[in-house]
Amino acid sequence: NAGVMQNPRHLVRRRGQEARLRCSPMKGHSHVYWYRQLPEEGLKFMVYLQKENIIDESGMPKERFSAEFPKEGPSILRIQQVVRGDSAAYFCASSPPGTGASTGELFFGEGSRLTVL
Amino acid sequence: AQSVAQPEDQVNVAEGNPLTVKCTYSVSGNPYLFWYVQYPNRGLQFLLKYITGDNLVKGSYGFEAEFNKSQTSFHLKKPSALVSDSALYFCAVRDGTGGSYIPTFGRGTSLIVHP
Repeated sequence: NAGVMQNPRHLVRRRGQEARLRCSPMKGHSHVYWYRQLPEEGLKFMVYLQKENIIDESGMPKERFSAEFPKEGPSILRIQQVVRGDSAAYFCASSPPGTGASTGELFFGEGSRLTVL
Repeated sequence: AQSVAQPEDQVNVAEGNPLTVKCTYSVSGNPYLFWYVQYPNRGLQFLLKYITGDNLVKGSYGFEAEFNKSQTSFHLKKPSALVSDSALYFCAVRDGTGGSYIPTFGRGTSLIVHP
């Protein structure tokens, strides 16, 4: 059973370009979370999605950032017009529906490390 | 609102000695508490959790954690540290009473085990 798959693992963009980060949850999981990790700041929640629905996006900047989790295919975190401050590791996590989600244990991918030049 | 505090940025311990990584939390309802470990350039791996029941929780790799409701703490412990335990450790909390499924993470504590 494959774990949470994230790609690309490393992404380099110039200021003003777009970054697209993909996340395929574990098989059977229907909940996806995106977190951003910056040195000295720990792990910050960005957005929580279920299939075709954004449940909570309270941690995501209002501008330039968007996320989706379509019925088919991976979840995508999209950052438009990237700036140097967007450089970070972005982690996706998933959890199963029902009782699994209620106990809150998350399964993390290896992360996508974005560098903005 | 829910929050987690990991008061130590770094913990140093000699191999073979016991280790403790501290965590305190704040949550409105019943706390669901978690510890995760992150090795360099990797994702977070689940270690253990407290949902209900026995205050002492045992997890992976010989780690355990003690839930203390009166002190709102959930410290991670191991009787005998290994060099391979060196990593970044995160404590997390979410409100188990209902509402959001979103756990809040602490800033992380870097554990360094010296040979």
